Amino acid sequence: SYELTQPPSVSVSPGQTARITCSGEALPKKVAFWYQHKSGQAPVLVIYDDIKRPSGIPERFSGSSSGTMATLIISGAQVEDDADYYCYSGDENDEHVAFGGGTRLTVL
Amino acid sequence: QVHLVQSGTEVKKPGASMKISCKASGYAFTSFHIHWVRQAPGQGLEWMGLLNTLSGGKNYAQKFQGRVTMTRDTSTSTVYLELSSLRSEDTAIYYCAKDLTPASGSAPEFWGSGTLVTVSS
Repeated sequence: SYELTQPPSVSVSPGQTARITCSGEALPKKVAFWYQHKSGQAPVLVIYDDIKRPSGIPERFSGSSSGTMATLIISGAQVEDDADYYCYSGDENDEHVAFGGGTRLTVL
Repeated sequence: QVHLVQSGTEVKKPGASMKISCKASGYAFTSFHIHWVRQAPGQGLEWMGLLNTLSGGKNYAQKFQGRVTMTRDTSTSTVYLELSSLRSEDTAIYYCAKDLTPASGSAPEFWGSGTLVTVSS
């Protein structure tokens, strides 16, 4: 199996920048994807291929990756960004994929 | 506009099997793989496997090997998830999701609204 590690929780005030990290051995060679998941709703893809933003996702969402760590950045977080965030990626040999354990982002 | 409509809530007894569906519309069904992902109460997202909607080929997570079957019906653009020998730990919301990239299992992009399956005696 393959493991991706995220912090359980991050908390910011509205307008501040939130950074959520995702650590994985294969991230130097494999891209990361990020999902926003609000209770009772379907997950939403907010970042793909480390840094790309799907259409319709606000510009305050961005991504970066360096070495074994990918980071989701929410610049000027809004109350509506309060949600669980998951990273997703695969191992170096494309044998296993995984979601990170999830990070609860609190914006208040 | 992409739509993934999933079947309704199910309640199953331990040891039983489940079969849920996901009907796709709004895009070329056989051009994109479908992922199945579940979320147990209070837990995170868990990837279960990937179905190639063109060839029918599958890639299952090791944890579910031997208990899971993913199939599709191209005539109705519907995919199915079967899970056997159910136990209480299989209680979860099960999501289908269309892949991001044509003809590739890159990552889930667009998700269905989920099917709640409860396993209880």
